Amino acid sequence: AQSVTQPDIHITVSEGASLELRCNYSYGATPYLFWYVQSPGQGLQLLLKYFSGDTLVQGIKGFEAEFKRSQSSFNLRKPSVHWSDAAEYFCAVAFTSGTYKYIFGTGTRLKVLA
Amino acid sequence: DAGITQSPRHKVTETGTPVTLRCHQTENHRYMYWYRQDPGHGLRLIHYSYGVKDTDKGEVSDGYSVSRSKTEDFLLTLESATSSQTSVYFCAISAPSGGTLRTNTGELFFGEGSRLTVL
Repeated sequence: AQSVTQPDIHITVSEGASLELRCNYSYGATPYLFWYVQSPGQGLQLLLKYFSGDTLVQGIKGFEAEFKRSQSSFNLRKPSVHWSDAAEYFCAVAFTSGTYKYIFGTGTRLKVLA
Repeated sequence: DAGITQSPRHKVTETGTPVTLRCHQTENHRYMYWYRQDPGHGLRLIHYSYGVKDTDKGEVSDGYSVSRSKTEDFLLTLESATSSQTSVYFCAISAPSGGTLRTNTGELFFGEGSRLTVL
């Protein structure tokens, strides 16, 4: 079955510390991969995406993510977190066999300590 | 921003009443989606459409139906609303990457959401 797992529900980091948010998926082929961010009371904003090619992708706001086929993972990273990064982060996977169906993980809520 | 409009943006209704949410796009995209967002569950796919009159079920389709009679409109109907359907509903559109349209990027573009409360 197709699924997306974000194992960390909450993460707390200090401002200036590094960040890694985990995402794993279950699918027989290589899907399209995305990270979205949602600030409180706001809509969803795309941070970055991976379709093919270089497995390390750069996004907005200093975020990057690495696709690891052997681990079925697409983890999001940032070297130095800012207080404004506090938000909820969603990994999403587009399963493209026949039609485009996008499935989201349950989200990771990031808290940043001053 | 992609041209996606959801209506109504807020609705309070009573258990057992029918409710229809509308999603309207101006991007001429083939794919349209309805998600619901609930704390602890993220966004869950209800139904999606891959063309006019072409729809399919998502993860949580029970209690919901959809219709797409025109490319630009995707309707979500709760035939008899229940309290468990209290949620924030997001419409989204996408188009495979490539082509000349600015929004043919393979990503999802979201509407602003519709908050539904079922009493």
